[in-house]
Amino acid sequence: QKEVEQNSGPLSVPEGAIASLNCTYSDRVSQSFFWYRQYSGKSPELIMSIYSNGDKEDGRFTAQLNKASQYVSLLIRDSQPSDSATYLCAGENAGGTSYGKLTFGQGTILTVHP
Amino acid sequence: DGGITQSPKYLFRKEGQNVTLSCEQNLNHDAMYWYRQDPGQGLRLIYYSQIVNDFQKGDIAEGYSVSREKKESFPLTVTSAQKNPTAFYLCATYLQYTDTQYFGPGTRLTVL
Repeated sequence: QKEVEQNSGPLSVPEGAIASLNCTYSDRVSQSFFWYRQYSGKSPELIMSIYSNGDKEDGRFTAQLNKASQYVSLLIRDSQPSDSATYLCAGENAGGTSYGKLTFGQGTILTVHP
Repeated sequence: DGGITQSPKYLFRKEGQNVTLSCEQNLNHDAMYWYRQDPGQGLRLIYYSQIVNDFQKGDIAEGYSVSREKKESFPLTVTSAQKNPTAFYLCATYLQYTDTQYFGPGTRLTVL
């Protein structure tokens, strides 16, 4: 099993719909998770972080973490064409003294069409 | 991109040449990281450094080298030993206890 794996996509949703992005992780990844958005040709930007079981909401974005099932998801409500990007899931490596060391999933391409 | 600069933005290299990618930060962050991204792929860690004069190999360090002589700078050298260096290279910093990695704008390296 890959340490962090995202549903392959690409994902296409109509404007105004809910986009659902999913990610599963292995035991080598700790309980800290991050969602990054990356526009084509640009660097990733952090949009959500989540550490505890349950939901975390920030505007139109909701991150969900389920430690028992080892998955983390990102919901985007009222999707806009400007949300069209690649979304990267990342988990912080477990154990050791290497803080901030992240493992990334392969990314999911989201397209929001008008 | 906030305080992290990478240069050049585009770099072309002939096979057999070594090239050095620059990463400079003025955020006073302790840790710095180098990632490689291939088309349709996530980021893979090459090297990272948590303090000056110390660095560790990431998952794909073969064919790369780094130095960390000062806190602000973490250059990456892509050597001729790297078999497939064409990729998008990203430098990042991390401030402990903020749980946030900040990325530079990236360098796109193409081997001709």
